[in-house]
Order: sequence, then C-alpha cells, then structure tokens
Amino acid sequence: GAGVSQSPSNKVTEKGKDVELRCDPISGHTALYWYRQRLGQGLEFLIYFQGNSAPDKSGLPSDRFSAERTGESVSTLTIQRTQQEDSAVYLCASSLAAGQAYEQYFGPGTRLTVT
Amino acid sequence: GENVEQHPSTLSVQEGDSAVIKCTYSDSASNYFPWYKQELGKRPQLIIDIRSNVGEKKDQRIAVTLNKTAKHFSLHITETQPEDSAVYFCAAISGSARQLTFGSGTQLTVLP
Repeated sequence: GAGVSQSPSNKVTEKGKDVELRCDPISGHTALYWYRQRLGQGLEFLIYFQGNSAPDKSGLPSDRFSAERTGESVSTLTIQRTQQEDSAVYLCASSLAAGQAYEQYFGPGTRLTVT
Repeated sequence: GENVEQHPSTLSVQEGDSAVIKCTYSDSASNYFPWYKQELGKRPQLIIDIRSNVGEKKDQRIAVTLNKTAKHFSLHITETQPEDSAVYFCAAISGSARQLTFGSGTQLTVLP
C-alpha cells in the first residue's frame, strides 16, 4: 500500500514568512511523529500525536512551531515567522501506535530553506 | 530524558570488510533499540532492531549486539558492499516514552 507522503518536497521561503508542511500517514496508523533533520545531523524529535490523546509537544523548539492533526489522518506542521536556523529537512513518520513495539515508517521529508 | 551518542561520525571500509558502529544511551529504562539506514536524499528506513531481553540479533549480513550493563549497543555489517554506503542512525526508547531518541548518525562509505 501507499507509504507516508509529505508535501511539498521542497520549500524556499523568505525570513519572517509562515510556512505549512503537510504529512499524510499510512492509513490505519494512529501515531504520527514530526522530526527535524539539520544538514549532516541526526533526527530531532518535535511532536507526536497518538489517536485522540493530547499531543506530546515537548520537542517543539519555540512557540513559532505548532502542529495539528485531524483525527488519525493528515497532519500539518506550521512554522511562523521563519528564521534561517529553521532551514532543515522536516520528516514525518507514522506507526500503528506510539511506543517501542511499533516500527516508525518515514516519509520522504520536506526540505525547507529560509533565505 | 534519554541521550544517545553515536560513533564514529564517518567510517570508510574496503568492500568485503566489516563495519562496526557503536552507540551508548543514558536511560537505563530504555528497552528498544532500532537502527535506521538513510541513503542520500532518501527517507530513513528500519534495517534491524533489538529489544532489551536479548543480547544479539542477526539478519543476514547485519547484526546488532546489546550490552545493558554498559548501556551500549552496536551495529555490525559483514562483507560490506558499495550499496551499504549510507548514513546509519541508532535510536533508543524507554518503556515510558513514546518517541525515539536518535544518535547523530554515521556516514558509512564502502570503497570498491
């Protein structure tokens, strides 16, 4: 079946503008994660959603970052007033449920460049 | 929270040789340790994982070992091939947590 998809694949924006990144998880996956990957670095956890539970926002770096998810479907990550340090690849992953028992499947990522 | 350190950051081996990547973790409650492979410009993909109730797991040319006492785990790739060239990430998660903590990655280059 279809894997995790993300859009856009690339986004170039000017400093100070807002951006929205979209993630479509695998159908039936109740858990959804957002990660940030700066050039040459590891994956930095941002936020995760599990079903109808309150999201875990503990990884969001500042209040300029927010994310929403409608039920168990699409999620959007919004970055307001973008800064150059926000430039990175933003990866989304989904799994059947949250926790160590379930493999996380990653999307192709959105490469964000803030000029 | 959990902290995962990964070494080396880069590794070059000759085709056919073995490659070993090591990770340490800080949270003694961590009990699941996956390894992801990320080829250039592509998404991370799970290649092998190990849970804390076993010390070693093998899958063809890939093996992972876990030392709970020392809080470290390693990825072993034998008979390396050029297509093994990629960035490899280790990760850890504890039973109480819901998200993985990743290492900083190892760029493996297999020289033909």
